[in-house]
Amino acid sequence: QKEVEQDPGPLSVPEGAIVSLNCTYSNSAFQYFMWYRQYSRKGPELLMYTYSSGNKEDGRFTAQVDKSSKYISLFIRDSQPSDSATYLCALNSGGSNYKLTFGKGTLLTVNP
Amino acid sequence: DTAVSQTPKYLVTQMGNDKSIKCEQNLGHDTMYWYKQDSKKFLKIMFSYNNKELIINETVPNRFSPKSPDKAHLNLHINSLELGDSAVYFCASSQGGAGSEYTFGSGTRLTVV
Repeated sequence: QKEVEQDPGPLSVPEGAIVSLNCTYSNSAFQYFMWYRQYSRKGPELLMYTYSSGNKEDGRFTAQVDKSSKYISLFIRDSQPSDSATYLCALNSGGSNYKLTFGKGTLLTVNP
Repeated sequence: DTAVSQTPKYLVTQMGNDKSIKCEQNLGHDTMYWYKQDSKKFLKIMFSYNNKELIINETVPNRFSPKSPDKAHLNLHINSLELGDSAVYFCASSQGGAGSEYTFGSGTRLTVV
């Protein structure tokens, strides 16, 4: 079983839709959970950062972490064509471990 | 001012050649990384340096050798290039320890022909 599983999509939605992106993981040591957004031919950029379980909201974006189910989600409300990108979940276990473990990424297209 | 800059952006080379990719960050971060992104967009860590000390060395062929002359620079040298080395190589940096936010460069697209 891979450490982090993410449905690669592609996911295509109309403008204004609510988008749900998800990752599952197997290593219960993970405690830092991030979502990165990567536009075509660009480097990933941090979108959301969560420590341990719970919800975090930033504008149209909400990140949820359920450590008991080893399941993390990113919700995008009122999606816009500019949200079209690959979304990657990234996890870290903390302590002396500096490594970010990424999911495979989900390609999202928001159609006007 | 670009925070993490990589050169070159594109690299096309023949099998068997040796090439280097350079990375510089002006964020004052202590830790730098090399990640490889394959054609399916999967990002996999290769190496990491913290204050010029190698702290992560994943299972990577010996043909790949990182070098960090100072904490603002991390270079990647690849010997005897193979077709399977074709990928996008990303440099990243972070401040602080585990759980820190990474800042990525824009990538070097390597094509081996």
